[in-house]
Amino acid sequence: QKEVEQNSGPLSVPEGAIASLNCTYSDRGSQSFFWYRQYSGKSPELIMFIYSNGDKEDGRFTAQLNKASQYVSLLIRDSQPSDSATYLCAVNGYGSGYSTLTFGKGTMLLVSP
Amino acid sequence: GAGVSQTPSNKVTEKGKYVELRCDPISGHTALYWYRQSLGQGPEFLIYFQGTGAADDSGLPNDRFFAVRPEGSVSTLKIQRTERGDSAVYLCASSLRRENEQYFGPGTRLTVT
Repeated sequence: QKEVEQNSGPLSVPEGAIASLNCTYSDRGSQSFFWYRQYSGKSPELIMFIYSNGDKEDGRFTAQLNKASQYVSLLIRDSQPSDSATYLCAVNGYGSGYSTLTFGKGTMLLVSP
Repeated sequence: GAGVSQTPSNKVTEKGKYVELRCDPISGHTALYWYRQSLGQGPEFLIYFQGTGAADDSGLPNDRFFAVRPEGSVSTLKIQRTERGDSAVYLCASSLRRENEQYFGPGTRLTVT
């Protein structure tokens, strides 16, 4: 059974700090990795995706992927109170024909002013 | 451009009743997905359409749940004989192709009383 594990948090960081969110997955055949941000009462919003080992940067966000360790992370630089949300890690694996996403339960991030 | 839309945004129904939830994907997206999200959990896959056909319905919990996409665009998720355990937020997502990033609609909050 495919699993995606995340620390539920909350992860508390002060404004301006770097927030580091981590995710591990069990399906070694997984190919695509996604980070979604979900504000309370709202639907998930795609913020990053990564397909290859290494780092991918987009503005204040950096996704890091290590397939050998089955580990993906999201770094948020210069964290802002508006970044306070639940961050969902999702994996799109070979076992599902590259179609469906398996989500973790999410990590709640709290950025204090 | 317009994102994924879902109607209704909220639905309250009595146990045993039939409900239909509608999803209108992003124009041009061939892949459409239904997920269900309970409080404190990540979205859970229900069914995936590629074009008009259900390519993967392995996530449907039982035969009370059914979905259609007759013209390859709008999809309807149908739930018969609703139970209180069906209460959740039902999310629809679409992607350009099956292996691409998925974009979520605002969801339908279903409450079965």
